[in-house]
Amino acid sequence: GAVVSQHPSRVICKSGTSVKIECRSLDFQATTMFWYRQFPKQSLMLMATSNEGSKATYEQGVEKDKFLINHASLTLSTLTVTSAHPEDSSFYICSALVLTGYNSPLHFGNGTRLTVT
Amino acid sequence: AQTVTQSQPEMSVQEAETVTLSCTYDTSESDYYLFWYKQPPSRQMILVIRQEAYKQQNATENRFSVNFQKAAKSFSLKISDSQLGDAAMYFCAYRSPSLNTGTASKLTFGTGTRLQVTL
Repeated sequence: GAVVSQHPSRVICKSGTSVKIECRSLDFQATTMFWYRQFPKQSLMLMATSNEGSKATYEQGVEKDKFLINHASLTLSTLTVTSAHPEDSSFYICSALVLTGYNSPLHFGNGTRLTVT
Repeated sequence: AQTVTQSQPEMSVQEAETVTLSCTYDTSESDYYLFWYKQPPSRQMILVIRQEAYKQQNATENRFSVNFQKAAKSFSLKISDSQLGDAAMYFCAYRSPSLNTGTASKLTFGTGTRLQVTL
């Protein structure tokens, strides 16, 4: 089955620093990747959609200069949280899409728990 | 924009019993896809079952089945013979069909239902 690897699984950083989260599709090429954020006991909220080789599309209310997304290849997308603050502490999950038809499946990574101190 | 509503924040079921989780959605599209995802304590999102709106037949996957009522915009999940391993957060999700546009393929999630399985 399709595997999405997300790294790191857990990261603690100091306020003001930047953190990069990687999302890799290991055995398939992902034309599109999605980045979600999940607060404790809440649902997944879409932050942005990235298509390989083009700029990411951000959801309303998500600061594109703070959450930098790069999808440089068909197997890798990165999310960089710049100048992190404690309120950025959350669980971040990526998912990857490979277009195989009208109901192409989405494959999720295991998520990254970010704690900003 | 599409919205997905799960009105049951928490549900409890005894082992071996049956439980139904409810989900309603709002859309103006005629063709779309619906999903149920399970998120155990590990936080991994696991696809449980999916339904294409153009199919009248309800999807089934072993102990999991759905009751899809398109006119009512309802998509409930039935878990039969519940097991301890079924305990998790369950999210209902909606997706528009698209072959070309990544944005249109995004999943919109409901707020989730936490399922407890008791002995």
